[in-house]
Amino acid sequence: AQSVSQHNHHVILSEAASLELGCNYSYGGTVNLFWYVQYPGQHLQLLLKYFSGDPLVKGIKGFEAEFIKSKFSFNLRKPSVQWSDTAEYFCAVNDRGATNKLIFGTGTLLAVQP
Amino acid sequence: GAGVSQSPSNKVTEKGKDVELRCDPISGHTALYWYRQSLGQGLEFLIYFQGNSAPDKSGLPSDRFSAERTGGSVSTLTIQRTQQEDSAVYLCANSLGGRPLTEAFFGQGTRLTVV
Repeated sequence: AQSVSQHNHHVILSEAASLELGCNYSYGGTVNLFWYVQYPGQHLQLLLKYFSGDPLVKGIKGFEAEFIKSKFSFNLRKPSVQWSDTAEYFCAVNDRGATNKLIFGTGTLLAVQP
Repeated sequence: GAGVSQSPSNKVTEKGKDVELRCDPISGHTALYWYRQSLGQGLEFLIYFQGNSAPDKSGLPSDRFSAERTGGSVSTLTIQRTQQEDSAVYLCANSLGGRPLTEAFFGQGTRLTVV
């Protein structure tokens, strides 16, 4: 069965620090990859996604993620975080060979200190 | 509607009672998902509906949990004989249903508290 691992459960950064959140998945076939974000009191929203092509994808608010197939990874990055980036971040995987089921990781809670 | 709508937004129930949680999807979005969000557990997949196909129920944690989707639109998640460990936020999501999956849109969730 597919699984998604997010190794950083809670990250605390100061403003302007660089961010990298890890995401690894277990499935070896063709996958679609997603990062979702949940700001305090808001619903989950899509940050960025990868389907094919350039493995470096750019999303909203200056976020980017790199798909490394050999490492089964899809890490999220941002060069300089802001206080408004405080949120919970979820990595998700869809097995393209199967159904449209979307499997999420356990999430990473990011707190950015001003 | 403009987005995924879930009701109620909050539900407090006594242990042992049954509860029904409702999801009104985005019009024309044929795929519907239910997830459970608990502290430290992330988003736990519960069930997935795609059009008229048999739902994928592989994530339902016990036979106390069931869900249905009437007419390919509104969905209801039912939890029978609720237990304290059922306390969580239950999220509904929609996608267009085509292949591949492009994006899932989430509702605000129902916060269930079992006392």
